Amino acid sequence: GENVEQHPSTLSVQEGDSAVIKCTYSDSASNYFPWYKQELGKGPQLIIDIRSNVGEKKDQRIAVTLNKTAKHFSLHITETQPEDSAVYFCAATPRGRGSTLGRLYFGRGTQLTVWP
Amino acid sequence: NAGVTQTPKFQVLKTGQSMTLQCAQDMNHEYMSWYRQDPGMGLRLIHYSVGAGITDQGEVPNGYNVSRSTTEDFPLRLLSAAPSQTSVYFCASRKTGGGYGYTFGSGTRLTVV
Repeated sequence: GENVEQHPSTLSVQEGDSAVIKCTYSDSASNYFPWYKQELGKGPQLIIDIRSNVGEKKDQRIAVTLNKTAKHFSLHITETQPEDSAVYFCAATPRGRGSTLGRLYFGRGTQLTVWP
Repeated sequence: NAGVTQTPKFQVLKTGQSMTLQCAQDMNHEYMSWYRQDPGMGLRLIHYSVGAGITDQGEVPNGYNVSRSTTEDFPLRLLSAAPSQTSVYFCASRKTGGGYGYTFGSGTRLTVV
């Protein structure tokens, strides 16, 4: 099956700086890459996603880039704020068939701390 | 819309006890799944379902059973709880087809003593 690796496991930045989290995947057939933010005591929440036919996607201070050749994708957060502090998960979805369609494989998460 | 509702939020079980974690969604999502989250391990898939009457195993299915009699509900049963099942459990749902993000519930924190 798909294997997703995520780095770094922890990341501390000063408020206003940028943060970058990187993920690699193993299955070249994967075609959908969402990012989730999990705040303490809550379930993961989708913040941005990208499909394999797109190289970059932006949503205000958040952007995701995808390099299909290298099989890696990254989350970029600019002008970080203390409320960005959370655990971030990347995931990949292989282009499966039947009951395997749409399965998500998660990275192990990055604890982002933004210091005021 | 309530989204994905999980009950209970917290539970303590003794080793060997059984229980059912409830999950309900009101978005008419076909795809539902159960994940467990352990420190440093990310989210691991236990079981999933692509529609009523259809279920399949994920990465870590041992010790858990599921059924899907309706589109809305997807309960997770622990047959004989073990300390290794101490974890936070999340239910998630989405529409079928590629490119749709999951909606997660708020989780059930389970402790087995």
